[in-house]
Amino acid sequence: ETGVTQSPTHLIKTRGQQVTLRCSSQSGHNTVSWYQQALGQGPQFIFQYYREEENGRGNFPPRFSGLQFPNYSSELNVNALELDDSALYLCASSLVGQARETQYFGPGTRLLVL
Amino acid sequence: DAKTTQPPSMDCAEGRAANLPCNHSTISGNEYVYWYRQIHSQGPQYIIHGLKNNETNEMASLIITEDRKSSTLILPHATLRDTAVYYCIVRPPNRDDKIIFGKGTRLHILP
Repeated sequence: ETGVTQSPTHLIKTRGQQVTLRCSSQSGHNTVSWYQQALGQGPQFIFQYYREEENGRGNFPPRFSGLQFPNYSSELNVNALELDDSALYLCASSLVGQARETQYFGPGTRLLVL
Repeated sequence: DAKTTQPPSMDCAEGRAANLPCNHSTISGNEYVYWYRQIHSQGPQYIIHGLKNNETNEMASLIITEDRKSSTLILPHATLRDTAVYYCIVRPPNRDDKIIFGKGTRLHILP
């Protein structure tokens, strides 16, 4: 186990609703990255948070937003859910500034949008 | 887009060495090769990474060719628990943000 935890494990929402997913980073890590993984595909980078600010973003619309808290935990918020948002959402924590930084992933939250 | 090419699937007999190839012909001189794996319904798990020299840890060995255009991940004694999707990733140094995943190789360990 990596020490990265995510909640909830599973979630069902309907189109148009909003959702908040949570991630607790591994002890000692200061950075959280979020990924979306559609069925049969590799994970796609959404964004990263470092020192409570967004530190890089992938090709996702603004309705995907996030927060990082002083304890380095993080939230992913998705507004106006669409059917295509159904996926496994992964967070990964890392220690920025360490040589050859490695990201460690949590177990994911599986979101189903109906 | 991912900068790596991997076979979509491979089989390996339990107890044998699993050798997973990866092509990264456009790799830059300062980019590292990373390997992750993802067991069904779990998050990706870091395995190993390297720059030029071969690397070994408790999980696997990484062999990088001299021209660095390809590499091989070796699981020396594959078990059923090694059944997973294996991702080969190229990353520049000091880039702490995104990991670009391809589709990986689905490794089946056969009893």
